[in-house]
Amino acid sequence: DGGITQSPKYLFRKEGQNVTLSCEQNLNHDAMYWYRQDPGQGLRLIYYSQIVNDFQKGDIAEGYSVSREKKESFPLTVTSAQKNPTAFYLCASTDPGQGGPNEKLFFGSGTQLSVL
Amino acid sequence: AQKITQTQPGMFVQEKEAVTLDCTYDTSDPSYGLFWYKQPSSGEMIFLIYQGSYDQQNATEGRYSLNFQKARKSANLVISASQLGDSAMYFCAMRGIGGSNYKLTFGKGTLLTVNP
Repeated sequence: DGGITQSPKYLFRKEGQNVTLSCEQNLNHDAMYWYRQDPGQGLRLIYYSQIVNDFQKGDIAEGYSVSREKKESFPLTVTSAQKNPTAFYLCASTDPGQGGPNEKLFFGSGTQLSVL
Repeated sequence: AQKITQTQPGMFVQEKEAVTLDCTYDTSDPSYGLFWYKQPSSGEMIFLIYQGSYDQQNATEGRYSLNFQKARKSANLVISASQLGDSAMYFCAMRGIGGSNYKLTFGKGTLLTVNP
């Protein structure tokens, strides 16, 4: 079955440590996204990538980094510069080949990151 | 800039009754799309329904319908014949044409509880 796989489901970070969240999709989608969700809040865009080897900052990119070396993969690194990393992280993808505003996002099941 | 406002942090409904979840939006884009997503306690985001700004009719998908009032900038979700499995967070989101072409902006969500 096609879909988006995020791992791990739960992740703990120590002070000063970088951690990487995995996101893999087999939907053959060009565009991928990382969102952060805090309790009682909506989703906020961290980074997005419209094509391999290209990515752009979203609204809250500080303290995060990404790479897009393969179409299927868009890992997110939470660096030690991110002082409040505890949140639920969602990866998504879409096929912008359709064009227009009707492209719906397909989401993974998320990673809950907590600070030890 | 785009903005989505969901004014109901929580809603309660009796099983088998209908419920309306409110969503208002603001955008300067001439063309845009409006989405509703469901997030059960498992965390994944599930696409429910889409409405284009130039669609003449309100969108429907099974028990879900979107009450789109363009002049009022509202896109309320109506769930008919509520089921216990409808208990979840519901997010309204939008995407426009133009500089924000690839960004889906989310509201803060409404927690729906269906009582037996």
